[in-house]
Amino acid sequence: GAVVSQHPSWVICKSGTSVKIECRSLDFQATTMFWYRQFPKKSLMLMATSNEGSKATYEQGVEKDKFLINHASLTLSTLTVTSAHPEDSSFYICSAPGLAGFNNEQFFGPGTRLTVL
Amino acid sequence: AQKITQTQPGMFVQEKEAVTLDCTYDTSDPSYGLFWYKQPSSGEMIFLIYQGSYDQQNATEGRYSLNFQKARKSANLVISASQLGDSAMYFCAMREGPAGNKLTFGGGTRVLVKP
Repeated sequence: GAVVSQHPSWVICKSGTSVKIECRSLDFQATTMFWYRQFPKKSLMLMATSNEGSKATYEQGVEKDKFLINHASLTLSTLTVTSAHPEDSSFYICSAPGLAGFNNEQFFGPGTRLTVL
Repeated sequence: AQKITQTQPGMFVQEKEAVTLDCTYDTSDPSYGLFWYKQPSSGEMIFLIYQGSYDQQNATEGRYSLNFQKARKSANLVISASQLGDSAMYFCAMREGPAGNKLTFGGGTRVLVKP
C-alpha cells in the first residue's frame, strides 16, 4: 500500500511558540490531504481538508488563524500550530486518499504528538 | 445527530474467541463507504476492512469480516480467533460520496484480549 509520513513524530514546545508538522505522501501524489486531531482516549476529529494549490477547508469550530495549512506540492502538506498553548497539546494525524485501485483506502501518517508546556 | 455510532466503549474477549464490534451509521447519500481501523497504543491507524454501499457481499479480510446490514445501517466488525495482538482501539469510519472524500469516525471501542 501507499505510505504517508509525518515529521516530527513528537514535539515539545513552550507556550507561545509555533510548531510546524509535515505530512508527505511518499510514493503517490495527493491533491487532497486531511488533518485530524485526537485527544487521549478519544476519537479522531477532522480539522481541515488540505487542497493542493488552493486554500484549505476548515471544519466548523477550527480556528483558521491558529492552525495554518499549506499544501504547496502534490506530496506535501504542512500544519502550523501558531502561538501554541497547553490546550493545543494533542495527537495530530494526517491522511491522504489512495488512488483508484487502492480499494478506496485512506492512508494515514504515523501521527505527531504535540506537547505544549 | 451522530453520523457514526459505536456503542461499546470497551470489551474483553478471550483469546481464540470471536468478537463483534458494533457500528451504526447515518447518511442520506446513496454512495458511501465504511471503514474499520485498528489503533494500537503506538497511535498508528491500521486499515482493516472496507465495505462500499453498493457492494453486494460482505467484505472479508483474513480474520476480519464485516457484517453489513444496509437496511439497518449497521456495519459490525467481526474478529475471529482473537489474538493477544488484537488488543487495541477500533474505529469505524464513514466516507460519504465518492472515494477521496473525508472520513467521519465513530467514538471507538477498546478491545482487550485476555490470555
